[in-house]
Amino acid sequence: GQQLNQSPQSMFIQEGEDVSMNCTSSSIFNTWLWYKQDPGEGPVLLIALYKAGELTSNGRLTAQFGITRKDSFLNISASIPSDVGIYFCAGRQTGANNLFFGTGTRLTVIP
Amino acid sequence: GAVVSQHPSWVICKSGTSVKIECRSLDFQATTMFWYRQFPKQSLMLMATSNEGSKATYEQGVEKDKFLINHASLTLSTLTVTSAHPEDSSFYICSASQNSYNEQFFGPGTRLTVL
Repeated sequence: GQQLNQSPQSMFIQEGEDVSMNCTSSSIFNTWLWYKQDPGEGPVLLIALYKAGELTSNGRLTAQFGITRKDSFLNISASIPSDVGIYFCAGRQTGANNLFFGTGTRLTVIP
Repeated sequence: GAVVSQHPSWVICKSGTSVKIECRSLDFQATTMFWYRQFPKQSLMLMATSNEGSKATYEQGVEKDKFLINHASLTLSTLTVTSAHPEDSSFYICSASQNSYNEQFFGPGTRLTVL
């Protein structure tokens, strides 16, 4: 299947700091999604992006659909302890109904 | 809205037995349901896609005779792991969407441990 690479693999930050993570692929996707997964739980959708160049916010979260359609980034501003978890990007290609998930970024917020 | 449940949330079974996991969409009709497997510290890997009333489509490398999927109604899909072995121990997550191209809403997952 398609490989979506996320970086960084893990992050340790102080509460209140901003966070940036990205997701890249060698293939083009027409939809990019960002999910958060807490331990022992299923992923929860944070932001969905449908157009190249689109910039979308959800509270303290902002995500952008890369202009090349091969990448996306997620920013979290003013991090808080409950932001801890694993963040996954996921992409869907034109005409397909399945998602390809990224390798994940594990975020730890130090109070 | 868009709540998906899974049952059981965890299960421990002996090697050689079969285990059934249920995935239900509670407040919407799910034409399409997806089954994923996630090993510790790894990403979600799609196992199969099922459309209500049709046979499931399995991803390459997933044995359809071992992982039986039934999607008999618009709110229920089941995954049966037949003759489970320790290497089948994993976190199984389902997702559901109203149609093939709508957003997927994920269940809370089922942790399977095979002794």
